[in-house]
Amino acid sequence: SYVLTQPPSVSVAPGKTARITCGGNNIGSKSVHWYQQKPGQAPVLVVYDDSDRPSGIPERFSGSNSGNTATLTISRVEAGDEADYYCQVWNGISDDVVFGGGTKVTVL
Amino acid sequence: EVQLLESGGGLIQPGGSLRLSCAASGFTFRSYAMSWVRQAPGKGLEWVSTITGSGGSTDYADSVKGRFTISRDNSKNTLYLQMNSLRAEDTAIYYCAKKGVGYYYEDWGQGTLVTVSS
Repeated sequence: SYVLTQPPSVSVAPGKTARITCGGNNIGSKSVHWYQQKPGQAPVLVVYDDSDRPSGIPERFSGSNSGNTATLTISRVEAGDEADYYCQVWNGISDDVVFGGGTKVTVL
Repeated sequence: EVQLLESGGGLIQPGGSLRLSCAASGFTFRSYAMSWVRQAPGKGLEWVSTITGSGGSTDYADSVKGRFTISRDNSKNTLYLQMNSLRAEDTAIYYCAKKGVGYYYEDWGQGTLVTVSS
């Protein structure tokens, strides 16, 4: 089955840039989606189709995808961005949905 | 405004059965595929199952195949998950999620907790 690998944690100072990676075999050929989940809350879609943002998501959230790595970038990080972030793809070969293990973003 | 409200969770013994429901509102329910996604305590997200808008096609994760059945009643705007032969490892918060145009989830419910324990 297809595996997505994320770093368990990322720490960033307020105002700086956080980059969260999502590794997968030739992930650049797939559409990658990103979710933010705060404690006790349901996930929220923050980026879809590699780099598109749903309405209401700040421009500070952006995504890219190439080769074997997709990246979620959070610019000008705020305390409210502290959360778990998950990448997700659809594996057409086995026709299932795959999530990465999640990355906890800590704002210092 | 899209609303997804799950219900039916609770404490169940291993080997038992439970049916989860997800009441949808704020969009044309029959036009969208829907999924169940679960999250074990302190763990990440795990896709469970997906059903097309018409209900004519379903998919399951290998971990639940043969034990869980996803269905929907478009006349009632409700999604279901019938869970049989429950195991301790099925303990999780179960979310229903509305699939977007692509293979992503643009709306999620607040989840319902299923605890499988004797």
